[in-house]
Amino acid sequence: DTGVSQDPRHKITKRGQNVTFRCDPISEHNRLYWYRQTLGQGPEFLTYFQNEAQLEKSRLLSDRFSAERPKGSFSTLEIQRTEQGDSAMYLCASSSTVSQPQHFGDGTRLSIL
Amino acid sequence: ELKVEQNPLFLSMQEGKNYTIYCNYSTTSDRLYWYRQDPGKSLESLFVLLSNGAVKQEGRLMASLDTKARLSTLHITAAVHDLSATYFCAGEPNAGNNRKLIWGLGTSLGVNP
Repeated sequence: DTGVSQDPRHKITKRGQNVTFRCDPISEHNRLYWYRQTLGQGPEFLTYFQNEAQLEKSRLLSDRFSAERPKGSFSTLEIQRTEQGDSAMYLCASSSTVSQPQHFGDGTRLSIL
Repeated sequence: ELKVEQNPLFLSMQEGKNYTIYCNYSTTSDRLYWYRQDPGKSLESLFVLLSNGAVKQEGRLMASLDTKARLSTLHITAAVHDLSATYFCAGEPNAGNNRKLIWGLGTSLGVNP
């Protein structure tokens, strides 16, 4: 069990640029989640995959955000035309059965200049 | 829509004393989770509470769930410095196959000698 891996750990970019983050879940986990966390807040749900199917996307997520999970393995989260308000920690989590906790990666910290 | 509230949000503890964190949630929730987060780090699963009356213990931490009162508690026995961290509770909305988590704001614990 190598844990959930996220890349990069930190991303600094200028407003208006596109960014893409990658998440490698624990290998036998079929459920994958993306959350966003800002300072002093709890994580906020963004989207959920079961295998390769994206089954739910938060209505708070604008059209600038898109996520994929090709072949049900790793996942990518892309943000187009970044804005100041996108600065946050982006967390990926995976789980297997419904009664097991979600395991989180170390996150990608996004800073918008 | 499920809402999760924690209190207190900040807790300054004295070593050796006992404390309790409260987690209230607004609608029925299948499961209740407790996580720990150290500064700049990701989220570590502490407890999964699956049913009414569930009690789990690990070291100086004990979590319980009362689904009728929609309340979970995290009890700390004889606080020690190593317990300094932010503790989050999270619930799962009772709908669909998505096991997304809805999070409280977290309780920031500090332990003073």
